Amino acid sequence: GAGVSQSPRYKVAKRGQDVALRCDPISGHVSLFWYQQALGQGPEFLTYFQNEAQLDKSGLPSDRFFAERPEGSVSTLKIQRTQQEDSAVYLCATSLTGRMTETQYFGPGTRLLVL
Amino acid sequence: DQQVKQNSPSLSVQEGRISILNCDYTNSMFDYFLWYKKYPAEGPTFLISISSIKDKNEDGRFTVFLNKSAKHLSLHIVPSQPGDSAVYFCAASDGSARQLTFGSGTQLTVLP
Repeated sequence: GAGVSQSPRYKVAKRGQDVALRCDPISGHVSLFWYQQALGQGPEFLTYFQNEAQLDKSGLPSDRFFAERPEGSVSTLKIQRTQQEDSAVYLCATSLTGRMTETQYFGPGTRLLVL
Repeated sequence: DQQVKQNSPSLSVQEGRISILNCDYTNSMFDYFLWYKKYPAEGPTFLISISSIKDKNEDGRFTVFLNKSAKHLSLHIVPSQPGDSAVYFCAASDGSARQLTFGSGTQLTVLP
C-alpha cells in the first residue's frame, strides 16, 4: 500500500520567503509527527497531531513555524520569513493510533535550502 | 544536551562478519528503544525495537541488546550483507510522550 508521501521533495527559498511543506499520511493513520533533521544529525521532534488536534508543539523552534492538520489527514508545516538556519530535511511520520510502542512510518522528507 | 548518543559516526565491516552499532542514553525515563535504518533520499524505516522490561530482542539477522544499568543499547547484525549499508539511528521514547528522541546516526558500510 501507499506509504507516507511528502511534497515538495526539494525546496529552495530565499531568506525571508514563506514556505509550506505538505505531508500525506498513510490512510487511516491517526497520529502524525513532524521532525526536523539538520545535516549530520538525527531527526528532532517538532510537533504531534492526534487526528486534527495538535497535542504537542513543544519542539517548534520559533513562532515562525506553524503546523496544521484541519481534517485529520493531510498536514502542512509552514515556515514564515525563512532563515538560513531553517535549512534542513523536514520529515513527516505517521502511526496508526499513536500508542507509544507503535511503529512510526516516515515519509521521504522535504529538503529545504534557504539562501 | 543530547539525550541519545551514537558516538561512532561510521563503521566499516566485511561482508559475512558481525556489525555492532552502539547507542548510549542519559534520560532514565526512556523505556522503549528502537533502531531505524535510512538509505539516501529516503525516510528512516523501522528495523527493530526493545522494551525496557527486556534485555534482548531478536529478529532474523538483527538483535538488539539493552543494558539498563549502563544506559546502553547495541544492534548486532549477523551476518552483515552489502545491502545493510545505510545510516542507522538509535531512538528512544518515554511513557509520557509519543515523539522519538534520535541519536545522530552511524553510517554502516559493508564491504563485499
